[in-house]
Amino acid sequence: GQSLEQPSEVTAVEGAIVQINCTYQTSGFYGLSWYQQHDGGAPTFLSYNALDGLEETGRFSSFLSRSDSYGYLLLQELQMKDSASYFCAGVISSGSARQLTFGSGTQLTVLP
Amino acid sequence: DTEVTQTPKHLVMGMTNKKSLKCEQHMGHRAMYWYKQKAKKPPELMFVYSYEKLSINESVPSRFSPECPNSSLLNLHLHALQPEDSALYLCASSQPMNTGELFFGEGSRLTVL
Repeated sequence: GQSLEQPSEVTAVEGAIVQINCTYQTSGFYGLSWYQQHDGGAPTFLSYNALDGLEETGRFSSFLSRSDSYGYLLLQELQMKDSASYFCAGVISSGSARQLTFGSGTQLTVLP
Repeated sequence: DTEVTQTPKHLVMGMTNKKSLKCEQHMGHRAMYWYKQKAKKPPELMFVYSYEKLSINESVPSRFSPECPNSSLLNLHLHALQPEDSALYLCASSQPMNTGELFFGEGSRLTVL
């Protein structure tokens, strides 16, 4: 089967740095994406790691280690608007097609 | 235009009704997806269309019937649904080989009575 596990909740204060971890067990793994979803909203794409290492996009960075089946999303200079659910998602082969399978999700609460 | 548009935003239907959810994108994406999301849960993949052909069906019950009339449109036909099918139905699109970056619509919130 396929599974991507994340902590269910993380709390931090404005201006802080927070890391959300994701461990996965899948076959046919191509890469790891991260999505943000505010309550009542649609998931929005944050980053994608096809290769091992760190990808940086503004205040957000994402890391992948295929050998450890592990990745993380790093959020810096936290703002109140960063309070949301964050999902890691694995790009996985399914026959000749590819699909995106979401992890369990992490609810981030940013406190003033 | 980087939007995926879903209609209707809200739908209430009885178990004997037939209704359809619609999704449209004009980004030139050739892969389109239906996901189902329950409250406080991750999106669950239902169907994937690639180049207007159904490429993945995640063992979805036949009361859900997808259709891709052209490269910009995706429908989900609903018939004889159960109350447990009440959820947010999300449409997404991407380039077929860029599956990591999906563009999602705002979803259709379905309530089955």
